Amino acid sequence: EVQLVQSGAEVKKPGESLKISCKGSGYIFTNYWIGWVRQMPGKGLEWMGIIYPGDSDTRYSPSFRGQVTISADKSISTAYLQWSSLKASDTAMYYCARPDTLGRKDPFDTWGQGTMVTVSS
Amino acid sequence: QSALTQPRSVSGSPGQSVTISCTGTSSDVGGYNYVSWYQQHPGKAPKVMIYDVTKRPSGVPDRFSGSKSGNTASLTISGLQAEDEADYYCCSYGGSYWVFGGGTKLTVL
Repeated sequence: EVQLVQSGAEVKKPGESLKISCKGSGYIFTNYWIGWVRQMPGKGLEWMGIIYPGDSDTRYSPSFRGQVTISADKSISTAYLQWSSLKASDTAMYYCARPDTLGRKDPFDTWGQGTMVTVSS
Repeated sequence: QSALTQPRSVSGSPGQSVTISCTGTSSDVGGYNYVSWYQQHPGKAPKVMIYDVTKRPSGVPDRFSGSKSGNTASLTISGLQAEDEADYYCCSYGGSYWVFGGGTKLTVL
């Protein structure tokens, strides 16, 4: 069974750094793109970016480029989303997701359970 | 980049049909046949209902259908059922990244 399991909820202070994870199982991790989606409290979905773990080819939404870093460690089948300096406005649920079709970047068929990030002083 | 434009809410009675629109530009919706639609129930992860404008993943009822005309894509749900009440988001390829719509809350009366 294909699964994406995300790391647990985080509570951080403004200015702190953070790296959340998404571990893939049940498939060849390097062969499928993995993306990240933000959902701020009570708001809609926002496409952040996507990475191909096989060669670390990464694409970002212009809205998130420079604000976050997407990476992957294929040795442990895990993708990451990281911030160097969190802001209160980064408070949101973050989902990782992947297409089920080899070579495609969409649609997102399989989703992680989400990681809630709360940034508050 | 701007989110695609969706109506904030739509409603319908059980058995009726509803259509949710998703308006973009020639740089996203109008330029590519990579429009997908996601359903999200409260507290749950989204689920893809339509991809490539008109295709349904296996397991999605054929009550759900998609279409596109120019810069506007549409999701039609026929034979509304109580469990269809949810938020719906369109998503389109925009040239090197994807963009979601603002979301539409579907209420089944």
